[in-house]
Amino acid sequence: SQKIEQNSEALNIQEGKTATLTCNYTNYSPAYLQWYRQDPGRGPVFLLLIRENEKEKRKERLKVTFDTTLKQSLFHITASQPADSATYLCALVNLSNTGKLIFGQGTTLQVKP
Amino acid sequence: DVKVTQSSRYLVKRTGEKVFLECVQDMDHENMFWYRQDPGLGLRLIYFSYDVKMKEKGDIPEGYSVSREKKERFSLILESASTNQTSMYLCASSFAYGLSSYEQYFGPGTRLTVT
Repeated sequence: SQKIEQNSEALNIQEGKTATLTCNYTNYSPAYLQWYRQDPGRGPVFLLLIRENEKEKRKERLKVTFDTTLKQSLFHITASQPADSATYLCALVNLSNTGKLIFGQGTTLQVKP
Repeated sequence: DVKVTQSSRYLVKRTGEKVFLECVQDMDHENMFWYRQDPGLGLRLIYFSYDVKMKEKGDIPEGYSVSREKKERFSLILESASTNQTSMYLCASSFAYGLSSYEQYFGPGTRLTVT
């Protein structure tokens, strides 16, 4: 069955360091992979997407990579700040799915000052 | 900016009550979704609508129904609320295939407690 996995353990890092979050998937060939940020008690907010033919995408301090051979995406936040503390969700898009996404459970990032 | 609003942020209902959760989006999106989110289980899709009056079951539709009479509004109905439906409910919307890359825009969520 299709499965998408994110590290369930919280990631704690020091301010200024680079945070790297992992998203792995199996039994799936997504056309796109998306990343969302979710703050406690709020709905997820779309951050970035990367297409299957793209290796890397950047937006300000964010960088996403997509390796369809390894079936993995990495999400990096450089020069992390306490305000980056949140849960980050990855989601897969299969174009035959009429717009439905499959979400990972999310990884909580805590950036300490 | 895309705006998705939900009728309540917090709701407390009794077992057996009929519960309506409403969601409105202002971006003319074709697709609308209802999810529930529980600790350790992530986001689970309850129902999905890709057009007015069209709906499709998600992963956990049991105990729920939906209504989409207008493009901007998507309602989730709990016919007879039960305690295992206590959860955070999130509505989302997106453009249809061919118009975007399916990024979804979420509402603020409704935390429903059934006692």
